[in-house]
Amino acid sequence: QLQLQESGPGLVKPSETLSLTCTVSGGSISSSSYYWDWIRQPPGKGLEWIGNIYYSGTTYYNPSLRSRVTISVDTSKNQFSLKLSSVTAADTAVFYCARHVRPGYGGAFDIWGQGTMVTVSS
Amino acid sequence: QSALTQPASVSGSPGQSITISCTGTSSDVGSYNLVSWYQQHPGKAPKLMIYEGSKRPSGVSNRFSGSKSGNTASLTISGLQTEDEADYYCCSYAGSTTSVFGGGTKLTVL
Repeated sequence: QLQLQESGPGLVKPSETLSLTCTVSGGSISSSSYYWDWIRQPPGKGLEWIGNIYYSGTTYYNPSLRSRVTISVDTSKNQFSLKLSSVTAADTAVFYCARHVRPGYGGAFDIWGQGTMVTVSS
Repeated sequence: QSALTQPASVSGSPGQSITISCTGTSSDVGSYNLVSWYQQHPGKAPKLMIYEGSKRPSGVSNRFSGSKSGNTASLTISGLQTEDEADYYCCSYAGSTTSVFGGGTKLTVL
């Protein structure tokens, strides 16, 4: 069955860029039925949608983060990635990647990675 | 894009039913039949419980049901069990391939 796995540094310095990769296994990222999303959860707080990407490279971002977020896809590696620039302590969170069934096909996050904790600290 | 509004906590006894509300606006919950609900146990990734407002993925108990009226969606859990104790999040499509989550509700099974 399809699985997602986040990877990347667990500690990032303030003002630097956070970079994470999500590897998709057991299925292809190049499916027309799905988007591929990033979602984060600060410690003890709720979920926040960050943005998503289609296998063609089309992206959509949370308006509140748009100026700092870049999501990219590498179909040859079956991976998609997140970059969040100019991070502060407020960006400390567990970051999840998730498969997003397209609206019209269900419109929900049906498969999630296990999550990776990223701490912003000097 | 403001977060959807959920009660911070709800509680119930084993065997009882509870309902968690999720209030949005005419730009998200009210405009689309694309509300989903997620269960999250401590230290775990969220799990999809309801999609398209009222549909259950394969493997999810029929004790979980969803509905919507206007700008408010609801998740009902009947026959509460101790393993239902968790955080629950609603999420709605908000147009232009964007999504918005609720603030989450902590369910305590007394």
